[in-house]
Amino acid sequence: NAGVTQTPKFQVLKTGQSMTLQCAQDMNHEYMSWYRQDPGMGLRLIHYSVGAGITDQGEVPNGYNVSRSTTEDFPLRLLSAAPSQTSVYFCASSPARDSRGYTFGSGTRLTVV
Amino acid sequence: SQKIEQNSEALNIQEGKTATLTCNYTNYSPAYLQWYRQDPGRGPVFLLLIRENEKEKRKERLKVTFDTTLKQSLFHITASQPADSATYLCALPNQAGTALIFGKGTTLSVSS
Repeated sequence: NAGVTQTPKFQVLKTGQSMTLQCAQDMNHEYMSWYRQDPGMGLRLIHYSVGAGITDQGEVPNGYNVSRSTTEDFPLRLLSAAPSQTSVYFCASSPARDSRGYTFGSGTRLTVV
Repeated sequence: SQKIEQNSEALNIQEGKTATLTCNYTNYSPAYLQWYRQDPGRGPVFLLLIRENEKEKRKERLKVTFDTTLKQSLFHITASQPADSATYLCALPNQAGTALIFGKGTTLSVSS
């Protein structure tokens, strides 16, 4: 099925561990973004990309890295997990400057203990 | 940086009534504004986009207005149903139009 696929769906990390959240889309979308969603805080933009090889920081980039080597994949790396990074993470994609809106993945629920 | 405010965290209405949700923004003049629906445990789903030169847009029971002078968008659901219960998010493009910035959302509950 066409869409945005996020893996894993759930993850528990210990403080200081690193991990990569995977995001893949098969719609040939240029724009991709990562968000975190916390109760009472809404969706906050972490990093985004406008195409392969091009990434930029969003509202809350500290503690996260991204890369975009292909149009399809946009992984999010947690360098050294902290309890403050406990959240639900969403990846989204969109055709560039298009009126069809963003397509979101189903999310990764991350707990850092 | 741009700020987006959705007027209330929660809105409770009776089935059949019209729900009206408000999105206000500051420090910015966006070329368009989008609305999304999010159900618990799921990712947001795109509903409507309205451009700065459009005053109103409709899709089935949904209507969105965009007042660039007031810096406000109104989102209406007419003849509301319990199935409309969800969180509704307003989103604007960042200054370069390369990503979306979201409001905190309004949770709508429609009771039968």
